[in-house]
Amino acid sequence: DADVTQTPRNRITKTGKRIMLECSQTKGHDRMYWYRQDPGLGLRLIYYSFDVKDINKGEISDGYSVSRQAQAKFSLSLESAIPNQTALYFCATSDQGAPTYNEQFFGPGTRLTVL
Amino acid sequence: ELKVEQNPLFLSMQEGKNYTIYCNYSTTSDRLYWYRQDPGKSLESLFVLLSNGAVKQEGRLMASLDTKARLSTLHITAAVHDLSATYFCAVGTTSGTYKYIFGTGTRLKVLA
Repeated sequence: DADVTQTPRNRITKTGKRIMLECSQTKGHDRMYWYRQDPGLGLRLIYYSFDVKDINKGEISDGYSVSRQAQAKFSLSLESAIPNQTALYFCATSDQGAPTYNEQFFGPGTRLTVL
Repeated sequence: ELKVEQNPLFLSMQEGKNYTIYCNYSTTSDRLYWYRQDPGKSLESLFVLLSNGAVKQEGRLMASLDTKARLSTLHITAAVHDLSATYFCAVGTTSGTYKYIFGTGTRLKVLA
């Protein structure tokens, strides 16, 4: 079974709708992240969480919110989706200490299209 | 502000040839990471470089880090088609405000 899972894998929605993307991990990592990927722009950090009570904004948090329901679960919400939020979204986890030193482990991604 | 630049952005090379991808970053950083992404897939970690002069090798790929020059390289030796993918570097910090910035990626195509 995959260590980091994301649901749904694909989603088409309409402008103004609220949607939630979910991420679960079995790696036992405290740190979890949400990124979006757009062609030519690499990955950009939306939100990150270093533990259940710690939530931080990343580079591009406007229009997004998150919830860390448990160590293993981190959800991303688009309160009112707009077309320029069409992108590929990745969840990732990491462990600060040895031996991975914050090396990130990515989920399979969610392809979101906002019409 | 931490910025990460990769070059080239696109690279088409013949099988059997050698080439290097460069990753430059703008401010002091503790850690440098390389990832691979196949088309339509997720990212997979390749290397974690933790100190100046660090060198790591896996198969035909070798990564190095020069923190004084703020430069990391990913060298490809005798390329094969299976190495075709997009390669990202990412730079992280462990002090002050958390930063983990990805480069824009280098799309590598190895031609048979």
